[in-house]
Amino acid sequence: EPEVTQTPSHQVTQMGQEVILRCVPISNHLYFYWYRQILGQKVEFLVSFYNNEISEKSEIFDDQFSVERPDGSNFTLKIRSTKLEDSAMYFCASRSSGGPSEQYFGPGTRLTVT
Amino acid sequence: QKEVEQNSGPLSVPEGAIASLNCTYSDRGSQSFFWYRQYSGKSPELIMFIYSNGDKEDGRFTAQLNKASQYVSLLIRDSQPSDSATYLCAVNRAGTALIFGKGTTLSVSS
Repeated sequence: EPEVTQTPSHQVTQMGQEVILRCVPISNHLYFYWYRQILGQKVEFLVSFYNNEISEKSEIFDDQFSVERPDGSNFTLKIRSTKLEDSAMYFCASRSSGGPSEQYFGPGTRLTVT
Repeated sequence: QKEVEQNSGPLSVPEGAIASLNCTYSDRGSQSFFWYRQYSGKSPELIMFIYSNGDKEDGRFTAQLNKASQYVSLLIRDSQPSDSATYLCAVNRAGTALIFGKGTTLSVSS
């Protein structure tokens, strides 16, 4: 069964460093999302991406964040200058079509900022 | 502010019993309703979705939606210890970002 994949599974970085989190969505999916979950808290939306542009973003997704689809398969989230409070699980999700449809999540990247 | 509310639990049920999980949401324009299961340290796994008022059954799981009351529920029949997890309710307007509740922790004892 097709699934969303994410790399790395765990990333440790120092405050102020740049990190890139990578995702490979399900191959025939057109809509891509990033969510994050701080330990013990709820899953929060960051950004959605369709047709090579951001379609929706939350207040969390400030100028420190960017997303890119550099080729036909990868979808990346970049954090330019990490802060301690960026420590969280970051989940990529994808869905196939417009209108109501289900979002499938990848296994996540645990980001630890020291 | 769009909110999704769930009782955090824990909800404890014996093996073989029915577990009932509930969720309310604030945005009347919500169109799609999802239940995800999340094991500790893992990602959300989609187990049910419902778009229309009424009941939807899939194996041991039944999702119930009442848009007038802004209420979604998940019933798990014949609960198993492997069902022990946190169950996340999520809602959205068509195709938009999912709004998640904090989740209800379910514990099934053998």
